Amino acid sequence: SQQGEEDPQALSIQEGENATMNCSYKTSINNLQWYRQNSGRGLVHLILIRSNEREKHSGRLRVTLDTSKKSSSLLITASRAADTASYFCAAQGGSEKLVFGKGTKLTVNP
Amino acid sequence: GAVVSQHPSWVICKSGTSVKIECRSLDFQATTMFWYRQFPKQSLMLMATSNEGSKATYEQGVEKDKFLINHASLTLSTLTVTSAHPEDSSFYICSARVEGAPYNEQFFGPGTRLTVL
Repeated sequence: SQQGEEDPQALSIQEGENATMNCSYKTSINNLQWYRQNSGRGLVHLILIRSNEREKHSGRLRVTLDTSKKSSSLLITASRAADTASYFCAAQGGSEKLVFGKGTKLTVNP
Repeated sequence: GAVVSQHPSWVICKSGTSVKIECRSLDFQATTMFWYRQFPKQSLMLMATSNEGSKATYEQGVEKDKFLINHASLTLSTLTVTSAHPEDSSFYICSARVEGAPYNEQFFGPGTRLTVL
């Protein structure tokens, strides 16, 4: 399977805390993307990091990429109840296909 | 931003019937669309790549005669689940690639939940 792994599978934190999710992938990539999915809904693109980048920020999001370890992490700072959702990484290689990780279900308690 | 719609958002059908799901790019043209399925509490699995004016490319293990894909225009791709069975119940999500976008950016539809009784 080309699918990557995310950990943790589920994460429950209090509002205001930081949430860190990790993702590993198996193939060489051009970029790695993170998406958010609210329950029973479609995906929302959060951030993309290219293979030659090591870290990227967007608002309260911080993504890191370690191509030597084939891993990435997503940090959400100062979490809010509205951040409650499932988060997926998706690796994009030479083709335009996205290979999704298994996802982390984040619950932010008010 | 680019908007992708799906219709219907949910459908319930009897075993043995066929169900058609539409994926539309509303404000852009998409020569390439993708169909994914997602089982409960699992990730998205790519089923096939839909190309306007040509046959779809199916991923390994996906039955092309069961999941018929038609990309007849630059804004519409359809997925028909033929002779649906309960094991086909799933959340089907499409995405559309924006032509000329960096990194072959895809925009996702809201998904269609199929329940086969």
